[in-house]
Amino acid sequence: AAGVIQSPRHLIKEKRETATLKCYPIPRHDTVYWYQQGPGQDPQFLISFYEKMQSDKGSIPDRFSAQQFSDYHSELNMSSLELGDSALYFCASSRQGFYGYTFGSGTRLTVV
Amino acid sequence: AQKVTQAQTEISVVEKEDVTLDCVYETRDTTYYLFWYKQPPSGELVFLIRRNSFDEQNEISGRYSWNFQKSTSSFNFTITASQVVDSAVYFCALSAPPDQTGANNLFFGTGTRLTVIP
Repeated sequence: AAGVIQSPRHLIKEKRETATLKCYPIPRHDTVYWYQQGPGQDPQFLISFYEKMQSDKGSIPDRFSAQQFSDYHSELNMSSLELGDSALYFCASSRQGFYGYTFGSGTRLTVV
Repeated sequence: AQKVTQAQTEISVVEKEDVTLDCVYETRDTTYYLFWYKQPPSGELVFLIRRNSFDEQNEISGRYSWNFQKSTSSFNFTITASQVVDSAVYFCALSAPPDQTGANNLFFGTGTRLTVIP
């Protein structure tokens, strides 16, 4: 069965650079969530989209933005990267009426 | 506000021992969902179980079992006859049902790191 695809798997950026993370949800899933997991931390909710509209916002820094496109894939754009942005970034998708979440394998971002 | 507490930060057991991971939650919602996820050293989040707040039946899946007690707001997870491959961080999580916007995010506990010693 198709899963949630995240790219890239690993990313190394320098401070003040920009990064774009991509997420391709499971087919027919209409909702995408982004989570950030720092080292030794639990995943923290950043933002979610339902039917291409932002539906909820968590602890997402103003330097980050995200959107969901017409094909339901989502991108998380991160600018002016800081060392503290180094983390595992997960995307999850779900379908309205189906109360489950499927996570991608994550993108490990390292800011040096 | 939703909150999930996993008081056990780290647990070590010897292979073949049983181990219970505790999870206590807080929510004002009358309908909610509880989850357990496993995060092995490779980093991915592996779904283990979803429980609806209306369904208090305990569940068993192989060596895994879950005890949902609404009266004490707990959703504990037991692994029987633990194996080295069970070594991972286990997260308990809570969500409300999707609202009219169609989405509702997961609130995670801080996780319990389980080490199974051969």
